[in-house]
Amino acid sequence: QVQFVQSGAEVKKPGASVKVSCKASGYTFTTYSIHWVRQAPGQRLEWMGWINAGSGNTKYSQKFQGRVTITRDTTTSTAYMEVSSLRSEDTAVYYCARGHDYSSCDSWGQGTLVTVSS
Amino acid sequence: DIVMTQSPDSLAVSLGERATINCKSSQSVLYTSDNKNYLAWYQQKPGQPPKLLINWASTRESGVPDRISARGSGTDFTLTISSLQADDVAVYYCQQYYSTPFTFGPGTKVEIK
Repeated sequence: QVQFVQSGAEVKKPGASVKVSCKASGYTFTTYSIHWVRQAPGQRLEWMGWINAGSGNTKYSQKFQGRVTITRDTTTSTAYMEVSSLRSEDTAVYYCARGHDYSSCDSWGQGTLVTVSS
Repeated sequence: DIVMTQSPDSLAVSLGERATINCKSSQSVLYTSDNKNYLAWYQQKPGQPPKLLINWASTRESGVPDRISARGSGTDFTLTISSLQADDVAVYYCQQYYSTPFTFGPGTKVEIK
């Protein structure tokens, strides 16, 4: 079955960077895209961007352009999402999810809590 | 950006009764070239990731009970749970994937009365 295993919770100081991993299994990694969505405490879901796991092409929300980098390693079926210049407002659960470029997400990782605090 | 709104913010429904959630987009999410509405519905329970329920505004995902249905087109959409069960207690989100950034509604919390 389709499964995503994300890396563990992180605590970072303002200004630091964090890189979250998402290892996929149960399907052919390169035939889908991986989306990243975050959810701050008590807030709605917020789409950050996607990577087409086959082509490596990426698309980012303008809000995160320049501060977020999404990559993938096809040899390990793993996607990564790095956020730089962290601020307290980036405290959230970060999810990876499977979809296509313009599609909904049909399978989700368990989420990674990133806490930004001095 | 397309702004998604939902109503109500929350609702409490008796077991076996109907629950209806509305979702509105600030612009049409109907792509005329394929006549598809780029609108999804998700269910999220506490401590869990969202679960996709409905795709293309009205297509139920495999395994989703048929008491959950959705309809709508253009800018106005509705999710209906025809006979609420205890397992349906959750927050429900609509999402447009018509244009980036994909955006979600604020969520509707469904509880048992």
